[in-house]
Amino acid sequence: DAKTTQPPSMDCAEGRAANLPCNHSTISGNEYVYWYRQIHSQGPQYIIHGLKNNETNEMASLIITEDRKSSTLILPHATLRDTAVYYCIVMEYGNKLVFGAGTILRVKS
Amino acid sequence: DTGVSQDPRHKITKRGQNVTFRCDPISEHNRLYWYRQTLGQGPEFLTYFQNEAQLEKSRLLSDRFSAERPKGSFSTLEIQRTEQGDSAMYLCASSPGTASHQPQHFGDGTRLSIL
Repeated sequence: DAKTTQPPSMDCAEGRAANLPCNHSTISGNEYVYWYRQIHSQGPQYIIHGLKNNETNEMASLIITEDRKSSTLILPHATLRDTAVYYCIVMEYGNKLVFGAGTILRVKS
Repeated sequence: DTGVSQDPRHKITKRGQNVTFRCDPISEHNRLYWYRQTLGQGPEFLTYFQNEAQLEKSRLLSDRFSAERPKGSFSTLEIQRTEQGDSAMYLCASSPGTASHQPQHFGDGTRLSIL
């Protein structure tokens, strides 16, 4: 079973920041938080991952709380092309990914 | 394109037929994973390889399913005597070995439809 809880859906206005929350209260010390997204008819696309420090790359930022029990994925300037299902996954590196239901993000103009 | 490549993209077959899918991972990625995704659900793990060794198989992988990675490069997934319930998207992913913290990268999958 997935070890994360995400809201089923969210809306965001185009050009605004999209903040996607994820709860992972049972995360263990050696488990990473990974974020993927999936656009219809495509394979999941890797976005970002982290262990305990905040991370940023060209796509997004990942904010992990100090107790590591929750995190937030931030898309700084959402576009219509960011409409997708976003999956938050906790995993010990090298193991299989266990996907939950994810969050459907709808970016609206 | 240096991403994960899957072939074919779509496969339509009659119930009872055998099908085989191919996955070419990113070059030099030691780990290769297979997942299955049905409509409206997230992907589910099937099996994975470290080089040519198959290290874990899900209970979803019935006796009709077999996966190989003979030379530690590309992999094949075969389904024998297909059933209606096998209709799904079959996804392949690859990642470097455990010495790295790089994530799994997915191909765009093979969509299987059983008539």
